Amino acid sequence: TQLLEQSPQFLSIQEGENLTVYCNSSSVFSSLQWYRQEPGEGPVLLVTVVTGGEVKKLKRLTFQFGDARKDSSLHITAAQPGDTGLYLCAGESQAGTALIFGKGTTLSVSS
Amino acid sequence: GAVVSQHPSWVICKSGTSVKIECRSLDFQATTMFWYRQFPKQSLMLMATSNEGSKATHEQGVEKDKFLINHASLTLSTLTVTSAHPEDSSFYICSASRGGSNEQFFGPGTRLTVL
Repeated sequence: TQLLEQSPQFLSIQEGENLTVYCNSSSVFSSLQWYRQEPGEGPVLLVTVVTGGEVKKLKRLTFQFGDARKDSSLHITAAQPGDTGLYLCAGESQAGTALIFGKGTTLSVSS
Repeated sequence: GAVVSQHPSWVICKSGTSVKIECRSLDFQATTMFWYRQFPKQSLMLMATSNEGSKATHEQGVEKDKFLINHASLTLSTLTVTSAHPEDSSFYICSASRGGSNEQFFGPGTRLTVL
């Protein structure tokens, strides 16, 4: 069974701080996706990383896919209150079936 | 493009009744739809995968006779929670993917509260 370990589970920081969320597995994924979810809404896709070692930037968010395609990280620079939410990583197995979700990171940014 | 809707957004029902939740792909044909369940501040747990015109595949531990799934057309899948109990109260989210792609598009979710 493929598992994605996501850490930390909860993160509470001040506006302007930087943070990193990690997603690790012992399995190889053909791609990995990061989502942000607000309470009472469905997840919204932020980015998909496909190539080992790939780095993608989305404004203050930087996503990296590990060389071996087993892990990924999300780094947020100068966090803002609007970044508050649940961040989920999800891996697409090489079998190409359903997404495997990490447990999520609940981020709270206070001003 | 690639918009998925769910109906209703929230529903409250009495214990013992059945509730149907609809998932629609509004601007594309969804060959596969997925149903997830999410408890507060937790991640999504896959319940079942359904392909249009065939029986759904339920994940281990998910009772197929309690969580009935119908995917009769390429734009509609339904999840029926039969004989609902308070422990079935949760946030149910569907997603859809189109042929030739594994990318999933998520619906906004349905909040179910069973009294």
